[in-house]
Amino acid sequence: AQSVTQPDIHITVSEGASLELRCNYSYGATPYLFWYVQSPGQGLQLLLKYFSGDTLVQGIKGFEAEFKRSQSSFNLRKPSVHWSDAAEYFCAVGAAGGADGLTFGKGTHLIIQP
Amino acid sequence: KAGVTQTPRYLIKTRGQQVTLSCSPISGHRSVSWYQQTPGQGLQFLFEYFSETQRNKGNFPGRFSGRQFSNSRSEMNVSTLELGDSALYLCASSGSAGEKLFFGSGTQLSVL
Repeated sequence: AQSVTQPDIHITVSEGASLELRCNYSYGATPYLFWYVQSPGQGLQLLLKYFSGDTLVQGIKGFEAEFKRSQSSFNLRKPSVHWSDAAEYFCAVGAAGGADGLTFGKGTHLIIQP
Repeated sequence: KAGVTQTPRYLIKTRGQQVTLSCSPISGHRSVSWYQQTPGQGLQFLFEYFSETQRNKGNFPGRFSGRQFSNSRSEMNVSTLELGDSALYLCASSGSAGEKLFFGSGTQLSVL
């Protein structure tokens, strides 16, 4: 069965500091991996996705993620966070673009300190 | 282009009642997926419809059902509501398999 683990429930980062959110997955086939962000009371917005090819993928809002097959990881990074990045971040895995059902991690709540 | 629209935004129901939630996908999108989000279980896939046919289904009881109309709008129905059905229900649309999902803002359902 597929699963996604986000080991950090909460992370606090100072504004301007770098960020790394961890994600580990379990999937029987070649995974399609995603990072989504959710602001309070809102739906999910796709930050980036990995299907194949270059293992370092660039997304919106200055985020990037690196796929490491040997570690079953897909960690999200940003070199310098802004107060507006405070939100809930979800890692997800699926068989394709997601229309056949994504499996999400429990999320990481990002707090930005001034 | 308008985004994914979900109505109503908030709902309060009592145990035993039934509820219907509506989702209008992005124009031209034919796939609509539904997810349940709760603090305890997180985001869980309910089902996905494409061209009026349910293609995929998550692990939820039969009280949860859905349908899709010829204009791709979708409805989700929950019968015999339980307290544990209180959740944010999210709808997402995509153009075809392999394309990314676009999520609506959700319907917050409270069951009293």
